[in-house]
Amino acid sequence: DAGVIQSPRHEVTEMGQEVTLRCKPISGHNSLFWYRQTMMRGLELLIYFNNNVPIDDSGMPEDRFSAKMPNASFSTLKIQPSEPRDSAVYFCASSRARRTGELFFGEGSRLTVL
Amino acid sequence: AQTVTQSQPEMSVQEAETVTLSCTYDTSESDYYLFWYKQPPSRQMILVIRQEAYKQQNATENRFSVNFQKAAKSFSLKISDSQLGDAAMYFCAYGGATNKLIFGTGTLLAVQP
Repeated sequence: DAGVIQSPRHEVTEMGQEVTLRCKPISGHNSLFWYRQTMMRGLELLIYFNNNVPIDDSGMPEDRFSAKMPNASFSTLKIQPSEPRDSAVYFCASSRARRTGELFFGEGSRLTVL
Repeated sequence: AQTVTQSQPEMSVQEAETVTLSCTYDTSESDYYLFWYKQPPSRQMILVIRQEAYKQQNATENRFSVNFQKAAKSFSLKISDSQLGDAAMYFCAYGGATNKLIFGTGTLLAVQP
């Protein structure tokens, strides 16, 4: 079985540019999560979806961040405009259970904003 | 709001020895799950072990076991017979009524040969 697939693995961009991170969850999983990992703040939940519907976006840092899930097999996290403080590893994860169960993580997208 | 605290930023253990990583959490919920995830240098997040709060028996997975103290809100991870491949960042995580996980800040484990 294919795991959670994220792209790109690495992204280097300049301040002010738009960044789009992509995620394909595991087939059959109905929940999708976007986390951000930094040295200072650890793993933070940005937003999560159940059945393609955003449930909790309270972790989204500001209006520059947006996430969509147009269908069960694809999600995007967009940052526009990007800033150096957005540099981090962004993880996508998915799970099958409506109640908490194991999250399956992608390999992460490392974003560097110069 | 639920919180997860890992008070040991770094730990070190000799190969073949045993090490315990600490985790405490705070919640008012009675039904929840607790997890330990491992993140090696490859940065892949790997589930190590899971504990359901309603189960009194401590979870065990091969060399990994937990000491779950519900009243004390404590959830420590014991790694027996440590191996070089166990070197990684370990995260404790809480999952409650929603299906999101809240992570601690992590403990970086070094294994000395």
